[in-house]
Amino acid sequence: DIQMTQSPSSLSASVGDRVTITCRASQDSVNYVAWYQQKPGKVPKLLIYAASTLQSGVPSRFSGSGFGTDFTLTINSLQPEDVATYYCQKYNSAPPWTFGQGTRVEI
Amino acid sequence: QVQLVQSGSEVKTPGASVKVSCKASGYTFTMDSISWVRQAPGEGLEWMGWISGYNGNTYYAEKFQGRVTMTTDTSTNTAYMELTSLRSDDTAVYYCARDSGIVATIGKFDYWGQGTLVSVSS
Repeated sequence: DIQMTQSPSSLSASVGDRVTITCRASQDSVNYVAWYQQKPGKVPKLLIYAASTLQSGVPSRFSGSGFGTDFTLTINSLQPEDVATYYCQKYNSAPPWTFGQGTRVEI
Repeated sequence: QVQLVQSGSEVKTPGASVKVSCKASGYTFTMDSISWVRQAPGEGLEWMGWISGYNGNTYYAEKFQGRVTMTTDTSTNTAYMELTSLRSDDTAVYYCARDSGIVATIGKFDYWGQGTLVSVSS
């Protein structure tokens, strides 16, 4: 199974900061990586798929990049409502679908 | 709008079974599929398996094979996940999520149910 390793596991930043979260796949995932946001006590929400495609309705301050084994989620100008745990996930190859362990973002 | 509405919280004793439902609306149920993902308290997301809304084909994560059964009722656009031989470490919130695959799981989850808390305790 492909393992997804996120770093850091948590971070604290200020409003307006640029935040970067990385995800490394144990095997080549091409660009089939998605990012989800889960606010405290809420349901996960798809932010980005195909490594860099923003899901409809997601603010443009979120962006994704990467290919192969290394992927990045960037939040430009962090906002208070971005406090959440973020998960990367590989998909569209062979299941099982695995998630990273999550990165908690605090302000 | 797409909605997935799950059944309510459950409290079970070890060894029992639980069946969670997920009623879909706002899209053509048979043109997509449903995956089930669970989250233990304070933990991350764990994919359990998938069922096609088109033909009922399933794929279960190896960890759950033999204990999980996923079914659909296309007359009511409802998916079900039954987990048997419950243990305390099955205590989790169980989510259904729309999976963009039709005859195979794609694993991209664009809509999620609200979650169902299943508590297993003696």
